[in-house]
Amino acid sequence: EIVLTQSPDFQSVTPKEKVTITCRASQSIGFALHWYQQKPHQSPKLLIKYASQSISGVPSRFSGSGSGTDFTLTINSLEAEDAAAYYCHQSISLPVTFGQGTKLEIK
Amino acid sequence: EVHLVESGGGLIQPGGSLRLSCAASGFNLTNYGLNWVRQAPGKGLEWISYFTTSGTIYYADSVKGRSTVSRDNVKNSLYLHMNSLTVDDSAVYFCARDSLEDDAFHMWGQGTMVTVSS
Repeated sequence: EIVLTQSPDFQSVTPKEKVTITCRASQSIGFALHWYQQKPHQSPKLLIKYASQSISGVPSRFSGSGSGTDFTLTINSLEAEDAAAYYCHQSISLPVTFGQGTKLEIK
Repeated sequence: EVHLVESGGGLIQPGGSLRLSCAASGFNLTNYGLNWVRQAPGKGLEWISYFTTSGTIYYADSVKGRSTVSRDNVKNSLYLHMNSLTVDDSAVYFCARDSLEDDAFHMWGQGTMVTVSS
């Protein structure tokens, strides 16, 4: 099973700040890494697929990068509505796995 | 409108069983890979099953042997049946769909809560 480790677990940030969340895989997964946002009491929402591919309807301040074992989700100019938990997800092999999540709090 | 709607959650006694439904609207379920993902209260996401377009089914070790996933093409619905429930199975259960081009989880239902307690 491929283990995904996110950092940090929690971050308190101010609006307009730039935020970086990392996801490290226990073995190489190529580009098969996706990012989701989950707001309280909602289902997850796909933000980025295959490490860096944008999703229609997702604000352009969200971007992704990386390959192999190290990946990054970047949120430029954070907005209050970005308060949420963020999860990475690998789909290169079964069982697909998720990172433990990163909770973003807006100050 | 295109969406997934889960149902069937509730309070179940330890050792009991659950049957959850995931109804699709606005698209044909048979064209997509379908997953069940659960989330225990205050915890992260845990994948538990994948139903491929060809009908092959994969299960996580945590539910293998006590779970069955099925699809009703007429009702355009996916089902999860799980028995021998323990408190560790308490979670919100989501169904999630991939896309025609890739296997990211593009669409999620709103989830249904299952509580296992005596």
